[in-house]
Amino acid sequence: KNEVEQSPQNLTAQEGEFITINCSYSVGISALHWLQQHPGGGIVSLFMLSSGKKKHGRLIATINIQEKHSSLHITASHPRDSAVYICAVSQTSGSRLTFGEGTQLTVNP
Amino acid sequence: DTGVSQDPRHKITKRGQNVTFRCDPISEHNRLYWYRQTLGQGPEFLTYFQNEAQLEKSRLLSDRFSAERPKGSFSTLEIQRTEQGDSAMYLCASSLWFSGANVLTFGAGSRLTVL
Repeated sequence: KNEVEQSPQNLTAQEGEFITINCSYSVGISALHWLQQHPGGGIVSLFMLSSGKKKHGRLIATINIQEKHSSLHITASHPRDSAVYICAVSQTSGSRLTFGEGTQLTVNP
Repeated sequence: DTGVSQDPRHKITKRGQNVTFRCDPISEHNRLYWYRQTLGQGPEFLTYFQNEAQLEKSRLLSDRFSAERPKGSFSTLEIQRTEQGDSAMYLCASSLWFSGANVLTFGAGSRLTVL
């Protein structure tokens, strides 16, 4: 079993829909990261969080430390949101990240 | 500063050849990480540096892989006697690490194809 599990693996939505991607982890962490990867490889860091909730534009990330679970929400989805969304955790501050396998999101117009 | 730069972006080589990738991090960043990603998978940790010191190396790395960051700035990742299983995207990331904060900036990656 992977230390970081994401669901779903693939997600197709219509423009405007509310989207949720889930991440569960099995180890103690110092921080959880959400990242976005577009075709061609470029990875962009969206959020780093260790508790509670963060919001940036239409993106919201939440984490429940007790349940070892995090969610990434996208409100009013748009085709340009189509990408792979990856959850990753670091067990100690500044150490290596352990990545989930990613969720491929496709938003259709 | 234009972010994290990786070179070359694409490398095609024959099995048994040596290859070297270079990563230029954001100049003030003290930590530099190497990851490897195969199609459909999340990135996999290889090694990371704080300044010039290599702090951790994955047990997945064979002794054919070596990484350096000699002056605490750019880093190189060398793969000796390449095998077809080494074909992957090699990602570099850097961060300004201080207690409680470590947001990574990734390069665009170097794609290796071993024939």
